[in-house]
Parts: sequence; C-alpha cells; structure tokens
Amino acid sequence: GAVVSQHPSRVICKSGTSVKIECRSLDFQATTMFWYRQFPKQSLMLMATSNEGSKATYEQGVEKDKFLINHASLTLSTLTVTSAHPEDSSFYICSAPRIGETQYFGPGTRLLVL
Amino acid sequence: TQLLEQSPQFLSIQEGENLTVYCNSSSVFSSLQWYRQEPGEGPVLLVTVVTGGEVKKLKRLTFQFGDARKDSSLHITAAQPGDTGLYLCAGDHAGNNRKLIWGLGTSLAVNP
Repeated sequence: GAVVSQHPSRVICKSGTSVKIECRSLDFQATTMFWYRQFPKQSLMLMATSNEGSKATYEQGVEKDKFLINHASLTLSTLTVTSAHPEDSSFYICSAPRIGETQYFGPGTRLLVL
Repeated sequence: TQLLEQSPQFLSIQEGENLTVYCNSSSVFSSLQWYRQEPGEGPVLLVTVVTGGEVKKLKRLTFQFGDARKDSSLHITAAQPGDTGLYLCAGDHAGNNRKLIWGLGTSLAVNP
C-alpha cells in the first residue's frame, strides 16, 4: 500500500535555531500534502496545504514566515520551523492524498525546542 | 466555519464495557473517516464510510454513517486494553482539495 514517510522522527534543538522536517510519498505522486500540528491527546490542527510547484496555503493564525513550506517535487514537501522557540515544541504530522483513495499519514515528527 | 463535533472527548472505562463515540456536523460530507492513533505515531485509518445509512463492522468495532451523511458513530463492544488510544473522525468534502475536517478526538482508556 501507499506509504508516507517523515524525517526526522524526533528532533531536539536549541531555541533560535531552524528545523527542517521532510515528508515523502514513497510510491505515489502527491501534488498536495497537508501539514498538521498536534498536542497530546488532542486532534490534528491543520497548519497549511502544500502545493507542488506553487505557494502553500496557510490556515488562519499560522505564520507563513515562521513555518516555511516547500513542495519542490511530486514526492517531497518540507516544513521548516524558523527560529524555533519552546512554544513550537509539538508533534508535526504530514499527510498526502492519493487520487481516488484516502489520505495517507506520515508517522509524525516530535519536535522539542529547549 | 465547518465543524465536526466529536464526543466524548475523554473516556475511561473498564475492560469488557461497551462504548460509543459520536461525530456530528451541520455539513454534508462525501465521506467520513475514522482513525485510531497511538502516542508518538501517525493516525491509522480504521474505516471510510461513504453511503448514507451505511454500517461497517471491523471485529468489535461498528461504524455508522447517518442517513443524511452529516453524522457518524463508532461503537466498540467489549472493550479491551488494546483499544486504548485516540480516536479521530474526519469528514471529507469532495472538491475541497481533499482537506479534511477533523473532530476534536476521543481519548479512550480501557482499564484491565
């Protein structure tokens, strides 16, 4: 079946540094990918829609200069948390819909900013 | 604003009990999905319901889609500790660029 991977699975960084998270669709092409943020025991909060070859669409309240999204190929989207601060610590998940099928979710990336 | 109300948000029960989780909306969905998620992992799709009035069974789990395709329920029979996790419902509007509308989630703890 279709698989979506994320890298890294876990990252710890110092406050003020930038962190890049990759989301890959392994056996299908995805012109659209979604980036979510999740707090413990809570639902997924959509941050942005990543569009291949064009600008990402951000949800209300999400700073586009803070969370940079690049979707340079049909199988890769990246989320860069710039100048990370402790409040950015969270679980970040991506998903990719496959045409005619459901969405496939990555395993998530745990970010801890010290 | 499109909303999907999910209840209860937290549920702690004893092994062997039954439970039902509800997702309700004022919007009509082309399909509705149920996911289960364990800590530190991505959501795993349990089922997709598409047709109004549809009932799907997955072992001890029974999923229903309302006749009007606005609501859905998940019923677990004889819950087991292995059922512990976060259950999420998500509605899909066809043509909405596949952006899902999420419920708030139900955190289920089944105690032995």
